Amino acid sequence: QVQLQESGPGLVKPSETLSLTCTVSGGSISNYYWSWIRQPPGKGLEWIGYIYDSGNTNYNPSLKSPVTISVDTSKNQFSLKLSSVTAADTAVYYCARVVYYYDNSGSRDDAFDIWGQGTMVTVSS
Amino acid sequence: DIQMTQSPSSLSASIGDRVTITCRASQSISSHLNWYQQKPGTAPKFLIYGASTLQSGVPSRFSGSGSGTDFTLTIDSLKPEDFASYYCQQSYSTPFTFGPGTKVDIK
Repeated sequence: QVQLQESGPGLVKPSETLSLTCTVSGGSISNYYWSWIRQPPGKGLEWIGYIYDSGNTNYNPSLKSPVTISVDTSKNQFSLKLSSVTAADTAVYYCARVVYYYDNSGSRDDAFDIWGQGTMVTVSS
Repeated sequence: DIQMTQSPSSLSASIGDRVTITCRASQSISSHLNWYQQKPGTAPKFLIYGASTLQSGVPSRFSGSGSGTDFTLTIDSLKPEDFASYYCQQSYSTPFTFGPGTKVDIK
């Protein structure tokens, strides 16, 4: 079955760039959307953005730090870069697969059906 | 952005109880509402999509209902493994947004 695994530094200094990679195993990264979601300690979930295997992206404009999500289909991986981070970016970062369904009216419904285990990233000097 | 609220923020229940969690959207989202379960230290688990359709493998004691702005998640006959936090998420428009969560713990 498809599994996702996040990897990257657990500590990032303020104003630097947070970089994480999600490796997809047990299935192809093609023909799906892939997403990053984060959860600050003791708080709720925040969607960061998603990418399709073609490279099309959609980001959450509410994020204060600039975001870039990229995909490497040859490695079955996708990545997150968050620039100029602050302490507010401290969180558990999850990667997730996006599945979509069409209802009777033809409207699309996106959901996160498979998640990685999450990786804690602390922003601190 | 569409704001999601949930009530209650936490509740205490006993094994075998019926539990209902409410989720409200700041504008109509039709039936574009998903539910997730999260246990401490683990990733969320996908439960329900389209407000009422159970994801494959989810026990039938879970059910969802609602449309427009008001939605509910109901757990019939609570089991020990159901003690967790529950989050709703709207998929009507990006940015996708989640509710703040409802924690269900043991009375």
